[in-house]
Amino acid sequence: DTGVSQNPRHKITKRGQNVTFRCDPISEHNRLYWYRQTLGQGPEFLTYFQNEAQLEKSRLLSDRFSAERPKGSFSTLEIQRTEQGDSAMYLCASSLTLAPYEQYFGPGTRLTVT
Amino acid sequence: KQEVTQIPAALSVPEGENLVLNCSFTDSAIYNLQWFRQDPGKGLTSLLLIQSSQREQTSGRLNASLDKSSGRSTLYIAASQPGDSATYLCAVKAGDNQGGKLIFGQGTELSVKP
Repeated sequence: DTGVSQNPRHKITKRGQNVTFRCDPISEHNRLYWYRQTLGQGPEFLTYFQNEAQLEKSRLLSDRFSAERPKGSFSTLEIQRTEQGDSAMYLCASSLTLAPYEQYFGPGTRLTVT
Repeated sequence: KQEVTQIPAALSVPEGENLVLNCSFTDSAIYNLQWFRQDPGKGLTSLLLIQSSQREQTSGRLNASLDKSSGRSTLYIAASQPGDSATYLCAVKAGDNQGGKLIFGQGTELSVKP
C-alpha cells in the first residue's frame, strides 16, 4: 500500500497522560499536514511541514502540542497532559510541492481521553 | 478570514435520484477546491479537485462545478446508489500557493435509501 499511513488507529488514554501519533506520508511527497476533526465537524488545520521544516502552525496548536518531521519523511504529533477536549480524530495528509498540491489523507488516529 | 459552508447538513434520497450538494466560501481568492468523501470513522478520500481557472471536473457519476466569483461550488451525483452514503466535504486552498492548508466546510451527510 503506497498511501498515507497512520499509527495507532485508535488510542484511549487517561487525562493527563502524554500521547504520540505517527504519520508516514506517500514516499515522494515533500509536504505533510496535520488536521484535527471533532464529531460532526470538518477537519481543522493544525500544522504543516515542507521536508523537515515546520512552515505553519495554527493557533489551535497549543503549547501542549508538538509536531516533528526530523528527516523529512515520517512525522510525529505529541500531545502532553491530555485533556478531555483533545478527544478527536487526528488526520494526516501529504502532497507534492508541485501544482495542484492535491492532498491525500490517511485513515486517521481516533483519540479518546477519559 | 476564509469560511466554508455546506448546505444541507444532511440529505436523504431514494436510490436512483440525481442530487446536488452545495458549498460556498467567503473569499474568492482561492487556489483550488477539493471535494472529499468520508465514511464513518474513516479518513478522507479525494473525489475531485478543481483549479481556480477551471469551471468543472468530472469523474464517473460525479461532476463538480466552480463559480469562483460568486464563491460557490456544487457536487452533482448522478443515479445515486446506497454505496454513495457517506459524508461529503468540500475544502478550499488559499490563493497564495506558498501556504498549504485546506479550509473545510462542516460536510453534508448523505444517505441513499434502497
